[in-house]
Amino acid sequence: GAVVSQHPSRVICKSGTSVKIECRSLDFQATTMFWYRQFPKQSLMLMATSNEGSKATYEQGVEKDKFLINHASLTLSTLTVTSAHPEDSSFYICSALAPWEGYNEQFFGPGTRLTVL
Amino acid sequence: RKEVEQDPGPFNVPEGATVAFNCTYSNSASQSFFWYRQDCRKEPKLLMSVYSSGNEDGRFTAQLNRASQYISLLIRDSKLSDSATYLCVVTGGSNYKLTFGKGTLLTVNP
Repeated sequence: GAVVSQHPSRVICKSGTSVKIECRSLDFQATTMFWYRQFPKQSLMLMATSNEGSKATYEQGVEKDKFLINHASLTLSTLTVTSAHPEDSSFYICSALAPWEGYNEQFFGPGTRLTVL
Repeated sequence: RKEVEQDPGPFNVPEGATVAFNCTYSNSASQSFFWYRQDCRKEPKLLMSVYSSGNEDGRFTAQLNRASQYISLLIRDSKLSDSATYLCVVTGGSNYKLTFGKGTLLTVNP
């Protein structure tokens, strides 16, 4: 159990276009999901916390108007990279917080590799 | 000072070797501690949680020293399949936000 999927796994787009990445918890409901970004040879960096039914909480330095997050259901959060540029090329990973009381593990999706030309 | 600092690595060891990873964290309010492993171009996967009393899972032993804000991971009898990047991760407060170290790359050679 506790499987998280992401779609697409890889996307290549032209500069200036928008890209939507989906994160789904397949066998549990997740009120809280997280979006991370990882540049080559760097740490995973938390971008934002996505809460079902409310606005996302963004980390310092992350532009909320550029990285749009929607968590409309208990099993789906989406990240839209608007007007993508080459510097947005990265590995984007989501995670879902385990819903069981007293259990604080995050389950990670397989990641989405974004390349902006 | 970075929030989570790890040995820069990389580590190259022969099969069967014992290898130790070190990690320090800056936030004394951190509450939970983990080691994750990440294979190349994949998502991180939880290896083990780390408790103050120390804990062991097969060939893996994790230690936490809250006074020194130091975490360690020991791998005994290393296998080829242990080759990966090992990430030290801490969390604090009630929001479950994870802070990742940069990771230490381990390569186990035949």
